[in-house]
Amino acid sequence: DMKVTQMPRYLIKRMGENVLLECGQDMSHETMYWYRQDPGLGLQLIYISYDVDSNSEGDIPKGYRVSRKKREHFSLILDSAKTNQTSVYFCASSLPEPSNERLFFGHGTKLSVL
Amino acid sequence: AQKVTQTQTSISVMEKTTVTMDCVYETQDSSYFLFWYKQTASGEIVFLIRQDSYKKENATVGHYSLNFQKPKSSIGLIITATQIEDSAVYFCAMREGTTGNTGKLIFGLGTTLQVQP
Repeated sequence: DMKVTQMPRYLIKRMGENVLLECGQDMSHETMYWYRQDPGLGLQLIYISYDVDSNSEGDIPKGYRVSRKKREHFSLILDSAKTNQTSVYFCASSLPEPSNERLFFGHGTKLSVL
Repeated sequence: AQKVTQTQTSISVMEKTTVTMDCVYETQDSSYFLFWYKQTASGEIVFLIRQDSYKKENATVGHYSLNFQKPKSSIGLIITATQIEDSAVYFCAMREGTTGNTGKLIFGLGTTLQVQP
């Protein structure tokens, strides 16, 4: 069953706390992504990972970092969360070949930073 | 810089009719890939259909098809025989295909489709 799993689904944190969002996929996809979705701003790319320890900044990386130590697992870390990081975060994975490229999304994590 | 624009914020149609959602894109690359994704009310985002810039034929998958007008930098999504379950937000997206491209997929802001019974 092709699946991208995000944990947790909902998270409430206080400003200044550290946040760890986790994502797993069972398709052995090399490329994984973290997006955030905000009303009026659509889906914005935070980070992209091409494989283990091969990560690249997206369009809005400030305030975030990522970790990919296993191909099937991609984490998003917020060190000292800010209220403007309240958002819905989506993880996705894809095959690298352009001919078969499509993104598989997780169900999202709704993060509230108070 | 690449950009994807969906000018229709929301559309309402009657069930079993055909709807077209517009999308225009900007890119300097001669090779690029265009996608449509659907986000349901539960928040789930799923891939629908794609069009590669070098292909002249419009892509079709089930009751989804594309109207690719390359000279106009336009990639419209057509849904025929709409069903209530088609009510969702539809996102257009683009990835440039040049060597060294980092695989960044850029999304439009989405069009909300409501299918009325």
